Amino acid sequence: DQQVKQNSPSLSVQEGRISILNCDYTNSMFDYFLWYKKYPAEGPTFLISISSIKDKNEDGRFTVFLNKSAKHLSLHIVPSQPGDSAVYFCAASAFANDMRFGAGTRLTVKP
Amino acid sequence: DAGVIQSPRHEVTEMGQEVTLRCKPISGHDYLFWYRQTMMRGLELLIYFNNNVPIDDSGMPEDRFSAKMPNASFSTLKIQPSEPRDSAVYFCASSLWGQPDNYGYTFGSGTRLTVV
Repeated sequence: DQQVKQNSPSLSVQEGRISILNCDYTNSMFDYFLWYKKYPAEGPTFLISISSIKDKNEDGRFTVFLNKSAKHLSLHIVPSQPGDSAVYFCAASAFANDMRFGAGTRLTVKP
Repeated sequence: DAGVIQSPRHEVTEMGQEVTLRCKPISGHDYLFWYRQTMMRGLELLIYFNNNVPIDDSGMPEDRFSAKMPNASFSTLKIQPSEPRDSAVYFCASSLWGQPDNYGYTFGSGTRLTVV
């Protein structure tokens, strides 16, 4: 049962443009959402998070938007850089320590 | 801190053999998680522990899979007997309940398992 879904397995963007990665969830009990970034041969690393009491959180070039009514969140990267090329995982938790991940989206930023 | 340490990094084994994956969490963390990454399903939660006690093992695919955490600094994930469909990257992660700003989990570098 995939409670967190990333329907786009891959995304290709030109350097300097905006990257938008999307994520949908089904469990209305989720109250905390995170994005992780993963490079080849490494474990996922934390990128940015958002609590369900907010609808936007920004950290430098990265912004996460949460639409609770649609059970949808997105990650915006502006401007995109070649070093952002990685697999991005969306994750959600209901009790802070039971995190479910999506299947991931492979982002390629072309120079 | 050295982070979450997993061993081995790569494991190639023959079908039917027993495989043991190891994890050392970050010192002081009270939660430990085992995930499996596949192309089709992404990161699947297999099992997690709190203070060395298994809390939820509903993600363990079959009885062939077992996990233990004998102490706060060590956990194992065992597959016996292994099958080719078990081939995947297995990640261990640890976290601390209530840490400020909840930066989520810290993952190890993973063990790439290939069963031939």
